Amino acid sequence: DQQVKQNSPSLSVQEGRISILNCDYTNSMFDYFLWYKKYPAEGPTFLISISSIKDKNEDGRFTVFLNKSAKHLSLHIVPSQPGDSAVYFCAASGVLTSGTYKYIFGTGTRLKVLA
Amino acid sequence: DAGITQSPRHKVTETGTPVTLRCHQTENHRYMYWYRQDPGHGLRLIHYSYGVKDTDKGEVSDGYSVSRSKTEDFLLTLESATSSQTSVYFCAISEFKGSSATNEKLFFGSGTQLSVL
Repeated sequence: DQQVKQNSPSLSVQEGRISILNCDYTNSMFDYFLWYKKYPAEGPTFLISISSIKDKNEDGRFTVFLNKSAKHLSLHIVPSQPGDSAVYFCAASGVLTSGTYKYIFGTGTRLKVLA
Repeated sequence: DAGITQSPRHKVTETGTPVTLRCHQTENHRYMYWYRQDPGHGLRLIHYSYGVKDTDKGEVSDGYSVSRSKTEDFLLTLESATSSQTSVYFCAISEFKGSSATNEKLFFGSGTQLSVL
């Protein structure tokens, strides 16, 4: 039972255009959502996050939108740059049934920005 | 960068042998996690710890055990390695002070590439 889903395994975008990465979750106990970026042979690095009490968070070229009623979040990158080419993971966190904190990740979306 | 060191960085072993991966942190964070990354599966939680000697299972815990005898060290053991455990293993840490996960980021180590032949 996959609690966090990224249904697009890959995405190609032209440099300068907008990249939109999507993520869906099923567990209403999640209260914090994060996006991570991963380059080959490196660990994932934090990109941007959003609390469940907000619907938008912006940091430079990166904006995350949260639609709680639809249990959906998206990451917008504008303008996209070749250096943004990486695998992007969506993660959800909260105090789940065990009373402890877990981060559950999606399967990732490989973004390729074409020059 | 968060002070997380994983060792070894690369390991090749044979089916049926025991393997232990080590994660060491210098941040004094309470929570530590082990994930594995596989194509098509993303990052899957194996086990995690919420304090010394306090551990719990994740999504894919079968065939793995963990131990945390000190705040700074979290060990992942494959008692009898199988080819299906060939993967990249990531350790991560986080700190939770309140009743919500908000603003508590997860920081990752550089990973261990494990090949089981």
